[in-house]
Amino acid sequence: DIVLTQSPGTLSLSPGERATLSCRASQSFSSNYLAWYQQKPGQAPRLLIYYASTRATGIPDRFSGSGSGTDFTLTISRLEPADFAVYFCQYYGTSPPTFGQGTKVEIK
Amino acid sequence: QVQLVQSGAEVKKPGSSVKVSCKASGGAFGSYTINWVRQAPGQGLEWLGRIIPIFHKTHYAQIFQGRLTLTADESTATVYMELSSLRSEDTAVYFCARDSSLGVTPLEFWGQGTLVTVSS
Repeated sequence: DIVLTQSPGTLSLSPGERATLSCRASQSFSSNYLAWYQQKPGQAPRLLIYYASTRATGIPDRFSGSGSGTDFTLTISRLEPADFAVYFCQYYGTSPPTFGQGTKVEIK
Repeated sequence: QVQLVQSGAEVKKPGSSVKVSCKASGGAFGSYTINWVRQAPGQGLEWLGRIIPIFHKTHYAQIFQGRLTLTADESTATVYMELSSLRSEDTAVYFCARDSSLGVTPLEFWGQGTLVTVSS
């Protein structure tokens, strides 16, 4: 199975700052089957990015994804209050789908 | 708009089974893969398995083989997740989630989650 390791575990930032979240895979996979989700307490995850860099419907352009092979990044260009949450990366290819352990973005 | 509505919270004894439903509306039901993902308290997300309702084709995570059964009822657009031989470590919120489109795609539509508590 593909293991995804996210870093850092927690990111403490202020509104307006830039957030950079990392997701590293244990092996390279084809077609960039890498997604990012946002989750707030008591809610289901929300799809943000798929195919490593494509924004899902309705996702603001301050969210962007990049990377390929084994290294992927989610960038939030200017944090807004609603962006403080936990973010998960996911491999969703035909091997068993797996999730990273999550990065919490908290208000500094 | 696609909506997934799950059944309510459950409290179960160790060794018993739980069956959670996920009713879909607002889109074509049979062709899209429905996945099940769980989240233990304060923990991350764990994929359990998936089903393509129109083919009743299932794929389970290896660690749940033999304990997990996914079924689908096309007449009611409902998918069921049954987990047996429950233990305390199975206490979690269980989510159903539908792929965004046909083929290899991420999980775009999610149910609200069902809390399953396993306690003696």
